[in-house]
Amino acid sequence: AAGVIQSPRHLIKEKRETATLKCYPIPRHDTVYWYQQGPGQDPQFLISFYEKMQSDKGSIPDRFSAQQFSDYHSELNMSSLELGDSALYFCASSSRLAGALSTDTQYFGPGTRLTVL
Amino acid sequence: AQSVTQLDSQVPVFEEAPVELRCNYSSSVSVYLFWYVQYPNQGLQLLLKYLSGSTLVKGINGFEAEFNKSQTSFHLRKPSVHISDTAEYFCAVMKGVDRGSTLGRLYFGRGTQLTVWP
Repeated sequence: AAGVIQSPRHLIKEKRETATLKCYPIPRHDTVYWYQQGPGQDPQFLISFYEKMQSDKGSIPDRFSAQQFSDYHSELNMSSLELGDSALYFCASSSRLAGALSTDTQYFGPGTRLTVL
Repeated sequence: AQSVTQLDSQVPVFEEAPVELRCNYSSSVSVYLFWYVQYPNQGLQLLLKYLSGSTLVKGINGFEAEFNKSQTSFHLRKPSVHISDTAEYFCAVMKGVDRGSTLGRLYFGRGTQLTVWP
């Protein structure tokens, strides 16, 4: 079965550089979530999109932005990178039932490991 | 606000022994509960979930969990572990039906590293 695809899997950047992480949800999934997992930490919710509109926002720095495109893939753009941004970034997707509030299972991708030097 | 507490950061156990990974949550609203497993250098894989109905839920790989509303717990159990079960286990909650703005996001616990020894 198709899973969530994230690219790149690994990314190394210098401080103050920018990075773009991509997420391709499971086919026919309309909701995408981004999470950040620091070293030895639990995943923290960043932001989510439903039908290309931002649906929820968590502890995402102003230096970060994200969007969901017409083909439902999503990109997380990170600027002015800091050492503390080094983490594993997960994307998850789900399929929200029409007219229902979301309680659907989130399926996670393998993550993008970002290292900021 | 929601919070999830995994009471043990590390659980060492011998192969074929039973194991219980503890999870407690606090929430002012109803929640949905999940357990995810993370193998080294991999993403999060859903083990099982509780949305409603029977409080005992069965998942993949022989795991099960019981939702206890009065104790606000959702402990994960397996009667006999294998070496291949060695991984990090995360308990997570999602707010239930509510007109608030944070629907869908998962709140994770700090994780429990399960190590199975031969």
